Amino acid sequence: GAGVSQTPSNKVTEKGKYVELRCDPISGHTALYWYRQSLGQGPEFLIYFQGTGAADDSGLPNDRFFAVRPEGSVSTLKIQRTERGDSAVYLCASSPGTSGNEQFFGPGTRLTVL
Amino acid sequence: GQSLEQPSEVTAVEGAIVQINCTYQTSGFYGLSWYQQHDGGAPTFLSYNALDGLEETGRFSSFLSRSDSYGYLLLQELQMKDSASYFCAVRGAGSYQLTFGKGTKLSVIP
Repeated sequence: GAGVSQTPSNKVTEKGKYVELRCDPISGHTALYWYRQSLGQGPEFLIYFQGTGAADDSGLPNDRFFAVRPEGSVSTLKIQRTERGDSAVYLCASSPGTSGNEQFFGPGTRLTVL
Repeated sequence: GQSLEQPSEVTAVEGAIVQINCTYQTSGFYGLSWYQQHDGGAPTFLSYNALDGLEETGRFSSFLSRSDSYGYLLLQELQMKDSASYFCAVRGAGSYQLTFGKGTKLSVIP
């Protein structure tokens, strides 16, 4: 079966623009996570979905960041009024249940804000 | 909050054994995980410890001491392909998010 996929693989945008990043989790995985990773750092948690609902959004840095998962499968991370500090690799992960002990990561979207 | 400490870089010889340590501070603890990430690649799960002791999976083993807030990843019979960054990550009690360390860059040399 296919792994976690993310599109686009690279996104270059200008400061102030709006971007959407998409994640397709492994089929049947109910849990979905978004992280972001800056160079030389570990992944930093953003938000966790269980099914369609955001069970934990405590990692979202501010209200410019929003994520949805309307049908409990594909998720979209939305960033408004992008800033240069938003530049990072945005990683999506999924897991089969609520334990989250083993998370399967996608290849990430590299976001560059000019 | 949660914080993790691990060495930033380790170099080891092909065929040797290397241990990567991780200490953590957390307000609640559920388990310690290890992930491998090659340059430009996705993190991939290696192991998980919820209880004290050693877990072995092939060439990789992971150890946890909850009383010492300490764990390590042991890689045996090192191969060149093991050159990568290794992250420890904790899951707090009542939480589903993982908090990652900054990673240890392992370089395997001939």
